[in-house]
Amino acid sequence: DAGITQSPRHKVTETGTPVTLRCHQTENHRYMYWYRQDPGHGLRLIHYSYGVKDTDKGEVSDGYSVSRSKTEDFLLTLESATSSQTSVYFCATIDSSKDGYTFGSGTRLTVV
Amino acid sequence: GESVGLHLPTLSVQEGDNSIINCAYSNSASDYFIWYKQESGKGPQFIIDIRSNMDKRQGQRVTVLLNKTVKHLSLQIAATQPGDSAVYFCAETHTGANSKLTFGKGITLSVRP
Repeated sequence: DAGITQSPRHKVTETGTPVTLRCHQTENHRYMYWYRQDPGHGLRLIHYSYGVKDTDKGEVSDGYSVSRSKTEDFLLTLESATSSQTSVYFCATIDSSKDGYTFGSGTRLTVV
Repeated sequence: GESVGLHLPTLSVQEGDNSIINCAYSNSASDYFIWYKQESGKGPQFIIDIRSNMDKRQGQRVTVLLNKTVKHLSLQIAATQPGDSAVYFCAETHTGANSKLTFGKGITLSVRP
């Protein structure tokens, strides 16, 4: 979606390796979110941020960490990737003055 | 973009017919609801939203109905078109500081030509 870029778009990594996914937004939105999408589970919140250096856990945060050192970037790190973290990851943002979330195009991560 | 091959319930409709997609939400404290559409290979896209002080809201070809008594949300699509084929998600949240959006599992809409 315009204004939100996720990188990489695809990644294959080995079990036990660290992986960082990046979400970049140009909208100066305060809130940013990381979701994962899996068959049978829909979209589940991993972590979110409500400002620079302000982050909190979502419902499936185990095995993930995040950082937000500047407004435009929200990083999701898998410290030691496991096969259960194979998923499609979506970043989303929201402007506190507007309705609805805007999503990025997603990152497909495969852990082998 | 990306999507997943979701093993979801499927609603099949004839092109030109009206579609009704239903969703039950879980949190009685939720006061803001959104419908999203996800096409293959893309992220979810905002369709329409409704706040808890309303029971109906209309957009272009879409209507959302909210029944807070039974915690039920529906999306009506008029004159369904092939381009409407996608996965549809409802989402709920309680607005306020640090609000988080919770998604339903989704329904696949398949439009028959």
